[in-house]
Amino acid sequence: KAGVTQTPRYLIKTRGQQVTLSCSPISGHRSVSWYQQTPGQGLQFLFEYFSETQRNKGNFPGRFSGRQFSNSRSEMNVSTLELGDSALYLCASSLALGGQPQHFGDGTRLSIL
Amino acid sequence: GENVEQHPSTLSVQEGDSAVIKCTYSDSASNYFPWYKQELGKRPQLIIDIRSNVGEKKDQRIAVTLNKTAKHFSLHITETQPEDSAVYFCAATRQGGKLIFGQGTELSVKP
Repeated sequence: KAGVTQTPRYLIKTRGQQVTLSCSPISGHRSVSWYQQTPGQGLQFLFEYFSETQRNKGNFPGRFSGRQFSNSRSEMNVSTLELGDSALYLCASSLALGGQPQHFGDGTRLSIL
Repeated sequence: GENVEQHPSTLSVQEGDSAVIKCTYSDSASNYFPWYKQELGKRPQLIIDIRSNVGEKKDQRIAVTLNKTAKHFSLHITETQPEDSAVYFCAATRQGGKLIFGQGTELSVKP
């Protein structure tokens, strides 16, 4: 069974631009969660989608948004990029809402210049 | 709000020694506690998890213990090997809730 797939693996953007990241969960998994990983802040929860609806949300500004499609694939969008948005963005999938257990993808490394 | 504290932030042991990483959670409704291992440049990998109806779980050289009263849980690695070197994250969540991670422990096993 294929694992969680994230695209692209690397992305370079400049301040003010917007970006869309994609995550395909493990087949049969209906929940997708997104995390931001930085050296200083560790793994911080962004949001979780289940059955195309956002079910849980972390403490990030409205510039960070997401959606989930009927095939459970999810996208995350960040608008008006800031230097501080440079991070590894990880997505994780699980069978059910609440992530028990969650399986991670390799992440998208986003660099803001 | 929910919070998970993890200690120590760095841990260095000799090959063959044991390593212990401790976490404390704040949400008393938390009922699922996974541990992840993240090697440099790689994805976090689930290595063991425990649910609140169990006090201890073992898988070969790895064990996790849970004290619900004190809201503590710990990861124990015995007979450490150089390939155990990585960053380890604990996490906690309640049913239907979001997964809250600790800050991570960088484990270094010296041959």
